[in-house]
Amino acid sequence: RKEVEQDPGPFNVPEGATVAFNCTYSNSASQSFFWYRQDCRKEPKLLMSVYSSGNEDGRFTAQLNRASQYISLLIRDSKLSDSATYLCVVTLRGAGGTSYGKLTFGQGTILTVHP
Amino acid sequence: DGGITQSPKYLFRKEGQNVTLSCEQNLNHDAMYWYRQDPGQGLRLIYYSQIVNDFQKGDIAEGYSVSREKKESFPLTVTSAQKNPTAFYLCASSGGTGRGTDTQYFGPGTRLTVL
Repeated sequence: RKEVEQDPGPFNVPEGATVAFNCTYSNSASQSFFWYRQDCRKEPKLLMSVYSSGNEDGRFTAQLNRASQYISLLIRDSKLSDSATYLCVVTLRGAGGTSYGKLTFGQGTILTVHP
Repeated sequence: DGGITQSPKYLFRKEGQNVTLSCEQNLNHDAMYWYRQDPGQGLRLIYYSQIVNDFQKGDIAEGYSVSREKKESFPLTVTSAQKNPTAFYLCASSGGTGRGTDTQYFGPGTRLTVL
């Protein structure tokens, strides 16, 4: 089983649609959770961190369910500029609360928003 | 203007040659990382360094070497022992590895092609 699993998609949605991505992780010692977006042939860029209480940033909402080891990202009112690959990322907790410094990436979910 | 820079953007290498990829950051981050990304795959960790003069192997360190002589610099050498070096190489840095400081920010990447 992969450490971080995502539905690779692709998701093709019209502008204005709401789309949700899911991600599961296998290691219960995981410490921090993030969503990154990656445009074609570019570096990943941090979209948002994911907190246990859930968090929202404009049109984007992230949820974390530690019991189910599940992370989600909801995008409302999709824009053409949201087209990208969305990467689910977790880090492991090490001794003393530090992480091992290792981000574990899912393979990414491709989103295409069309007019 | 703070950030992470990588050079060169594109690099071509003949088989049997060693090459060194540059990564510099002026974010005053303690931790730095190297990843490679292959088409359609997630990022995989090569090496990381939590502090100057110290570094650890990641998941795929064979055929690579690094140094961390200065806080702002973390060069990666791809040696001739790396069997399949053609990939997109990404450098990242973070303030630390503890909770709240482990968010990683990426440089623009170097595309290495072995001819």
